[in-house]
Amino acid sequence: KQEVTQIPAALSVPEGENLVLNCSFTDSAIYNLQWFRQDPGKGLTSLLLIQSSQREQTSGRLNASLDKSSGRSTLYIAASQPGDSATYLCAVHIYTGNQFYFGTGTSLTVIP
Amino acid sequence: GAGVSQTPSNKVTEKGKYVELRCDPISGHTALYWYRQSLGQGPEFLIYFQGTGAADDSGLPNDRFFAVRPEGSVSTLKIQRTERGDSAVYLCASSSNLNTEAFFGQGTRLTVV
Repeated sequence: KQEVTQIPAALSVPEGENLVLNCSFTDSAIYNLQWFRQDPGKGLTSLLLIQSSQREQTSGRLNASLDKSSGRSTLYIAASQPGDSATYLCAVHIYTGNQFYFGTGTSLTVIP
Repeated sequence: GAGVSQTPSNKVTEKGKYVELRCDPISGHTALYWYRQSLGQGPEFLIYFQGTGAADDSGLPNDRFFAVRPEGSVSTLKIQRTERGDSAVYLCASSSNLNTEAFFGQGTRLTVV
């Protein structure tokens, strides 16, 4: 069974800092990896999707990388803002079973 | 619609009752997923539809849970004889195909008292 781990579980940074969130997975037989943001009491908002053949994707201040062979992805957030405060979840879409496996998330707080 | 819509947003029910949760996916999306999220945890897979058929229902916890998607669009998750342990946020997602970006709804918060 695919295991997805996110480190750290919680992170608090001052506004303006650049930061990196980590995601690791145990089975490299994936279609893609997707990063989501979740605000308290809300659903998931898609941030970036990386296909298994890609190395990275960028959207605004966000950059996500994928190293499938080592089972790792990182989400880089540049110049963090208080509005970035949320829980960030990564999910891997596996070949078999047609499902996404999620990590438990990293809770980010950006202090003004 | 513009996004995935789930109704109701909140549902409180008594133990032992039957509930239905509805998901309206993005128009034209053939893939539809149901997930369940407990407090402080990542979402856990329940069932996946491709079109009208349940292609993978391996995540349904027991036979009290059932889901349908009769016309390949709207899906309903049905829970019989609800238990307090069923309390969670139930999330629905859709995508245009198997390996494309998935979009989630806002979820239904189910509380069994």
